[in-house]
Formats: sequence, structure tokens, C-alpha cells
Amino acid sequence: DQQVKQNSPSLSVQEGRISILNCDYTNSMFDYFLWYKKYPAEGPTFLISISSIKDKNEDGRFTVFLNKSAKHLSLHIVPSQPGDSAVYFCAASLAFGNEKLTFGTGTRLTIIP
Amino acid sequence: NAGVTQTPKFQVLKTGQSMTLQCAQDMNHEYMSWYRQDPGMGLRLIHYSVGAGITDQGEVPNGYNVSRSTTEDFPLRLLSAAPSQTSVYFCASSYSWDRGFYEQYFGPGTRLTVT
Repeated sequence: DQQVKQNSPSLSVQEGRISILNCDYTNSMFDYFLWYKKYPAEGPTFLISISSIKDKNEDGRFTVFLNKSAKHLSLHIVPSQPGDSAVYFCAASLAFGNEKLTFGTGTRLTIIP
Repeated sequence: NAGVTQTPKFQVLKTGQSMTLQCAQDMNHEYMSWYRQDPGMGLRLIHYSVGAGITDQGEVPNGYNVSRSTTEDFPLRLLSAAPSQTSVYFCASSYSWDRGFYEQYFGPGTRLTVT
């Protein structure tokens, strides 16, 4: 049973436009959410996170939105750059700082120059 | 500061062989973990450790052993390799504070093929 779902395996966006990556979860006990970015042949790198007490968190070009009632979060990248082309994973934990992360299956983002 | 290092980068095993995947971090992180990544399945937690001498099972622990004798090292042992263990393995670490653990730093991965 996939508790964290990324229903779009791939996404293509024109350079300079907004990229929106979506993630849904089923476990209402998830309390802390993270986005990781992964380039080929490298390990995932942390991008941005959000606690369930917030509905938005920004860091430069990256913004994560959380809709707890819909059990949905999204990552917005504005403006999209060629270096953003990567696989993006969302992850969730039962509490902030909990050591167990549940990952989604990933979305491959391609930025078209 | 090398971060999280993993060796080897690639490995081919025959069914039934055993081996150890090495993981080390030089950031004095208390928390370390092992994940496997399979196509279409994201990353799944195998085992984790919240400090030296303490380990626990994750989502998919069967067929793997771990130990944590030092803060720096967290090796993953495959006892008797099976084709189902063909995967990319990632080690990760994070530092802790009084409420838990921060986001995890990942190593570059080990690509394992079992024939």
C-alpha cells in the first residue's frame, strides 16, 4: 500500500515557466513533509520541507504548499531552470524529526530550454 | 568534509554469496539509515540507527543485517544474496536535536546486481 503517491511519473516544462509537482498521501498521521531532488548516479539531496502546522514554506525559487484536508502537497519552482531537470521525491514522516521517512515514487522533471 | 561515502559503487554477486556494503559519514551525525531504490517504487527504508550500538528495522529488513559500532560507520550486510535484492542502495545520515532528527544527507549509492 503506497502511503505517499506521486501520480505523475514525468513532467516537462518550458524554461522560465512555473513547474508544479504534486504529491498525495493517505496516512493522516503524517506530520512532516520533505522534497528531495535526485540527479542520475547521485544520491537524493534535500530541497525543502514543511511541518503540518504550516500551509506554505518558501526558499528562494522553491515553495511547498500543504493542504492537510485534501492530504495533498505540491512543490512550485519559479522560474524553472535547466538545472532543475531531475527526479523529485516527496517524503513524509509521522512527526517532525521522526527517523522513518516514507517516500513517493518520484516525478521526473524535464526543463525544456 | 566528505559527507556520506559509500563503497563499492557497483557490485555483481551470484545468488547465495554474501557481502557488505560500506557506509561512512564524517559529520558526526547520530542518525544513519539504509534505503533501497527500485524502479517505480521510490526509496524504501531497510534498517536505521539512532546512535552507536542502536539499530532497528525499517520497511524491508529481510535478508539484511546491520550493526553500528561507531558513530561514523554503518555497514549493511547481505547474508545470502538473492536476485530480488538487485537494486540501488543508498545510505543516509542526519544530525539530531532534542525533538528528533533533521533532514537526511544521502550518499551516492551502490548499484548491486545479483545473478
